[in-house]
Amino acid sequence: AQSVSQHNHHVILSEAASLELGCNYSYGGTVNLFWYVQYPGQHLQLLLKYFSGDPLVKGIKGFEAEFIKSKFSFNLRKPSVQWSDTAEYFCAVNVGGGGNKLTFGTGTQLKVEL
Amino acid sequence: GAVVSQHPSRVICKSGTSVKIECRSLDFQATTMFWYRQFPKQSLMLMATSNEGSKATYEQGVEKDKFLINHASLTLSTLTVTSAHPEDSSFYICSALASSYNSPLHFGNGTRLTVT
Repeated sequence: AQSVSQHNHHVILSEAASLELGCNYSYGGTVNLFWYVQYPGQHLQLLLKYFSGDPLVKGIKGFEAEFIKSKFSFNLRKPSVQWSDTAEYFCAVNVGGGGNKLTFGTGTQLKVEL
Repeated sequence: GAVVSQHPSRVICKSGTSVKIECRSLDFQATTMFWYRQFPKQSLMLMATSNEGSKATYEQGVEKDKFLINHASLTLSTLTVTSAHPEDSSFYICSALASSYNSPLHFGNGTRLTVT
């Protein structure tokens, strides 16, 4: 079965710092990749997704992620974080077509300090 | 945007009782709904996939007689935790998928279940 690893469980940054959250998956076949965000007290929301094509994917709120197939990675980046980016971030993988049955990573809690 | 309403947000029940959690898609028809469970500091674990009008498909290790899922309409799925025990205490999250191809998942806010 596939698994998803998020190595950073807690990250604390100052505003304007750059962000990179790691995500690695274990599956050798075709995958669809996602990053979700959960702001305090809110539901999970899709940040961005990769199905095929350009491995550099741009999402909402200035986030982007790069799919590196050889490294089985899909790291999330943002050049300059804001206090409002404080949230929990989940990487997720779907094996095969579609985007339905997801395997989630354990999440990374990001805190951005003023 | 699409909204999924999950109710209740918190519930406390006594051991041995049953609890029903509702998941509604408010502005779209959800052909498929998913139920997840999340323990503290752990990932969301898929419990079951629910398709409207058919029996739910449970993941390995999830007791179908304990976690009853009903998806009677295109906008409502329910999860009933039967004869709840303290070890069932967890955060339960539903998500809904619209019928269009490659449509994203929409998540509910989750239900915090505490069994005393």
